[in-house]
Amino acid sequence: QSALTQPPSASGSPGQSVTISCTGTSSDVGGFNSVSWYQRHPGKAPKLIVYDVTKRPSGVPDRFSGSKSGNTASLTVSGLQADDEADYFCSSYAGSDNLAVFGGGTKLTVL
Amino acid sequence: QVQLQESGPGLVKPSETLSLTCAVSGDSISSDYFWGWVRQPPGKGLEWIGSIHHSGGTYSNASLKSRVTLSTDTSKSQFSLKLSSVTAADTAVYYCARHVRVVTSRSKLGLPRRTYYFDYWGQGTLVTVSS
Repeated sequence: QSALTQPPSASGSPGQSVTISCTGTSSDVGGFNSVSWYQRHPGKAPKLIVYDVTKRPSGVPDRFSGSKSGNTASLTVSGLQADDEADYFCSSYAGSDNLAVFGGGTKLTVL
Repeated sequence: QVQLQESGPGLVKPSETLSLTCAVSGDSISSDYFWGWVRQPPGKGLEWIGSIHHSGGTYSNASLKSRVTLSTDTSKSQFSLKLSSVTAADTAVYYCARHVRVVTSRSKLGLPRRTYYFDYWGQGTLVTVSS
């Protein structure tokens, strides 16, 4: 069982928006502004798409946005494209004894 | 562009030691980053194993700490993971990644507040524990 809870699946049609949630506790997501999101296509290396809750690395489209409310972080993908179909994982800092906890992952399907 | 590539045996016998190496290109192991390992057992989520700084500082997942050894080899631009006394539960895809640690602010006492994330990853390597 993963430390952070994500829905196993999400879906949307091209052009639509979809939001993926990531629920933790006050000891991780709620306690620190250190939430990151990763995209992973089958057989490929995971790619960082959001860090520090809302920031995007250079080259990541602004269609990807992150937010947080209490113990739940969210990733919103707007203007869905076929290439967005992938697995998405969230992660949070959880203290000096636990630098990273992860969610179970969400498989995003573009219908 | 930073690139990481895992290598090591794909099959390890129970009770033996799993050994993996991650070769880094496009950056120096001696730069001010941590270098980490993350794994994903079949059908489960990702699990952070541990991270190491070239200066020798290491952090490990409390649940694995007693079995984990991390090291760096700056001359070869690589870092390594050893996981001892493996069981079938250690069967997983193992990823290496660059682990960023950045000071974002300071408390009233001047203590640093830091953020952590993985900005570059390898493609992963499947390690099966079986006799």
